[in-house]
Amino acid sequence: EIVMTQSPATLSVSPGERATLSCRASQSVSSNLAWYQQKPGQAPRLLIYGASTRATGIPARFSGSGSGTEFTLTISSLQSEDFAVYYCQQYNNWPWYTFGQGTKLEIK
Amino acid sequence: QVQLQESGPGLVKPSQTLSLTCTVSGGSISSGDYYWSWIRQPPGKGLEWIGYIYYSGSTYYNPSLKSRVTISVDTSKNQFSLKLSSVTAADTAVYYCARETTVTIDYWGQGTLVTVSS
Repeated sequence: EIVMTQSPATLSVSPGERATLSCRASQSVSSNLAWYQQKPGQAPRLLIYGASTRATGIPARFSGSGSGTEFTLTISSLQSEDFAVYYCQQYNNWPWYTFGQGTKLEIK
Repeated sequence: QVQLQESGPGLVKPSQTLSLTCTVSGGSISSGDYYWSWIRQPPGKGLEWIGYIYYSGSTYYNPSLKSRVTISVDTSKNQFSLKLSSVTAADTAVYYCARETTVTIDYWGQGTLVTVSS
């Protein structure tokens, strides 16, 4: 099983500032990594796949980077609607997807 | 626009079998381009992928749940279903049905909470 570890568990950032979220894989997943955003009471929404490709309709303030075992999701100039929980997910080991435990992005 | 909707009992007794159905609209399960999956999320916790089914009936399950999981498909109704046997309190979760590719999970149902309790 590929274990995904996200840090920090909670990140407090002020609106308008930049947020940087990290995800580490227990073994190389190449660029086979996706990021999802989940708001309370809602299903996750796909943000990024291929480590850095934004999904359809995702604003340009969301960007992803990394490869191998280290990945980053950056949200520049945080908007109020961006405060949510973010999950990384590897698909290098498809069909057995595994997710990180999530990072909660909260308003500072 | 593809939509998925879960349905089934919200309360299951310990040791019994959890059964859920997902109805797909706005697209055909038989299109062949996608896989149809189940994912769960215990309250306040992260996401766990349970397994998928292809329209042909082929399946793949999370190895940690494989002995208890069965996913089936009914293409005539555009539905697929989940059965999880011998449930315990640890199986209490929001269960999502979803459409996936080999890369992403691009459409999700709204999720349904299933509580395991006597």
